[in-house]
Amino acid sequence: DSGVTQTPKHLITATGQRVTLRCSPRSGDLSVYWYQQSLDQGLQFLIQYYNGEERAKGNILERFSAQQFPDLHSELNLSSLELGDSALYFCASSVNVQGETQYFGPGTRLLVL
Amino acid sequence: KNEVEQSPQNLTAQEGEFITINCSYSVGISALHWLQQHPGGGIVSLFMLSSGKKKHGRLIATINIQEKHSSLHITASHPRDSAVYICAVYDFGNEKLTFGTGTRLTIIP
Repeated sequence: DSGVTQTPKHLITATGQRVTLRCSPRSGDLSVYWYQQSLDQGLQFLIQYYNGEERAKGNILERFSAQQFPDLHSELNLSSLELGDSALYFCASSVNVQGETQYFGPGTRLLVL
Repeated sequence: KNEVEQSPQNLTAQEGEFITINCSYSVGISALHWLQQHPGGGIVSLFMLSSGKKKHGRLIATINIQEKHSSLHITASHPRDSAVYICAVYDFGNEKLTFGTGTRLTIIP
C-alpha cells in the first residue's frame, strides 16, 4: 500500500460525458502527478501540481483539467469524453517538486462506451 | 525513434537467473526512474537515480549519463518478479517526463 488513494476504482460512462477522478496523496506529500496509461500509448505524463499550484504540464488535452485543493487532494476532470479516453489513470505523489521518488495510487480504470 | 527505448520488449527466464533490462535515451535528463507494474496494474517505484548505482534487495540500477543508458538488474530472479518494468526520464529544466514502452518480464518456476 503506497498511501496514495484514488477513487473511483472503475468508471464506465458514455461518449460526450464528463467525469471527475479523485486522488489523495500520501500524508506529507505536496506534489501530485497525473498519468494516463492506454493500450496503444503506454504511460503518459499529464500534469503535476505542487502545493496547490500547477507545476508542470505534459500531454494533457484541452478537454482535461486538474486542480489541487488546500488539503492537497487533487481532482482530474475529463470532459467531452471520447472512446480513445478509455485508459487507466494513475496519480502519484512525492514530498517535493522534483527529484523525489513518486508513490503511485492504484489507478482508476475508465471505460468510455 | 522514441526518445526512450527499452530492451528487450519481452523477456522470459528461469527462476534464479540474473536479469538485465536496458533503457537508452536520446534527450538530456536530470534523473531516471525505474517503475514496476504488476499484472494487476499497480505501479511501484523502484529507483530514482541521476548518477552511479543504487541497490535495494535483489535489485540493482545503474546509470551512465555520458552514454545515456541505464540498466536494471535482478539477481536470483523469482516468479514474483514477473511484471512490466518501465523506465522514465525527467528533464527538470523543461519540465518534461518521458516514459519507455516497458519490458515485460516473465520468470518461470
